[in-house]
Amino acid sequence: SQKIEQNSEALNIQEGKTATLTCNYTNYSPAYLQWYRQDPGRGPVFLLLIRENEKEKRKERLKVTFDTTLKQSLFHITASQPADSATYLCALPYNQGGKLIFGQGTELSVKP
Amino acid sequence: NAGVTQTPKFQVLKTGQSMTLQCAQDMNHEYMSWYRQDPGMGLRLIHYSVGAGITDQGEVPNGYNVSRSTTEDFPLRLLSAAPSQTSVYFCASGRGNQPQHFGDGTRLSIL
Repeated sequence: SQKIEQNSEALNIQEGKTATLTCNYTNYSPAYLQWYRQDPGRGPVFLLLIRENEKEKRKERLKVTFDTTLKQSLFHITASQPADSATYLCALPYNQGGKLIFGQGTELSVKP
Repeated sequence: NAGVTQTPKFQVLKTGQSMTLQCAQDMNHEYMSWYRQDPGMGLRLIHYSVGAGITDQGEVPNGYNVSRSTTEDFPLRLLSAAPSQTSVYFCASGRGNQPQHFGDGTRLSIL
């Protein structure tokens, strides 16, 4: 069955550095991949979607890569700020129509 | 524009009780889904719907029931609550393969 894995350990970095989060998947060839941010006590909020024919996508300080050969996506936050501290989730479509399966999320903590 | 609204925000039940978690969206999305989130396990899909009158099971459907009589509403029913159903429940809506919009969750404790 399809499986998604994200760094299970929390990532602690210093303000101003680049945070890199990993999402690996197996038994799957998704047409796209999504990244979400979740703050404590809140629902996930969509950040970026990258399609299988796109190697890289950027939005302000965020960059996502998608390597279909390695079956991996990397999520980068450049010039990180304490306000970037949150849990970041990757999600892949399970089939047509919007059904998503999620990784367990990686907690990011940016220290001043 | 309220987006996805879930009620209640918190609930405590006794084992064996039943209840309905409400979810409403005002974006005219055809796709709606319910997830539960447990520590270390991420979001797991319970049930989903691709339109009014159409529902299907997700990864962990046992003990839950859904119906979709309107585009806007997608209630989740716990038939006979069990302590294993203690969790945070999220409802989401979206259009086709577009990003999902989530509510802020219902925190459910079952004693």
